[in-house]
Amino acid sequence: EADIYQTPRYLVIGTGKKITLECSQTMGHDKMYWYQQDPGMELHLIHYSYGVNSTEKGDLSSESTVSRIRTEHFPLTLESARPSHTSQYLCASSELELQNTEAFFGQGTRLTVV
Amino acid sequence: AQSVAQPEDQVNVAEGNPLTVKCTYSVSGNPYLFWYVQYPNRGLQFLLKYITGDNLVKGSYGFEAEFNKSQTSFHLKKPSALVSDSALYFCAVRDGRNTPLVFGKGTRLSVIA
Repeated sequence: EADIYQTPRYLVIGTGKKITLECSQTMGHDKMYWYQQDPGMELHLIHYSYGVNSTEKGDLSSESTVSRIRTEHFPLTLESARPSHTSQYLCASSELELQNTEAFFGQGTRLTVV
Repeated sequence: AQSVAQPEDQVNVAEGNPLTVKCTYSVSGNPYLFWYVQYPNRGLQFLLKYITGDNLVKGSYGFEAEFNKSQTSFHLKKPSALVSDSALYFCAVRDGRNTPLVFGKGTRLSVIA
């Protein structure tokens, strides 16, 4: 079992609220990622990071923001949630130096904005 | 740019029969190829990867995949399907540079008893 954790697992929140989805890993990985996935659908990369103070936008435009102040922590924030943000959010991590290593995924956070 | 195609949205197979989930890729350099499985309301679990060497790669739960450079394919296979194999399967590729994994859109496998 990979040591990457996401909280909360499920979240129902009202429109306009600010939310932060947490992601932590204990594997010492430099690379971390956030993917957005509608149920049973494809994954879209929305943010990634190569290490502390590094953040990049992914292929899918997102109104969310991320920060990487500590190696093990990569939170995702929505300043004002909207129903269009309803989705599953998956966090992942992998080693930086070894490009042939697989990414490890958290269990995901299923967000519903009402 | 790198990309992955999974041409089948859904694959149905009878329990005990062999299964194949197809994947083709496009990269500019040497490909690093991966298969993941996702069960309902869960994250993705790593199954196997191809980096270099033997074209037939063996992974978790009896799955294997065959790398075919000329056809740019990396099909996932299992000799005898189980009902518990029913899930969503994702193929992914990285082109060897320090880039994020690119995923296919997924194939839903349904194994019928």
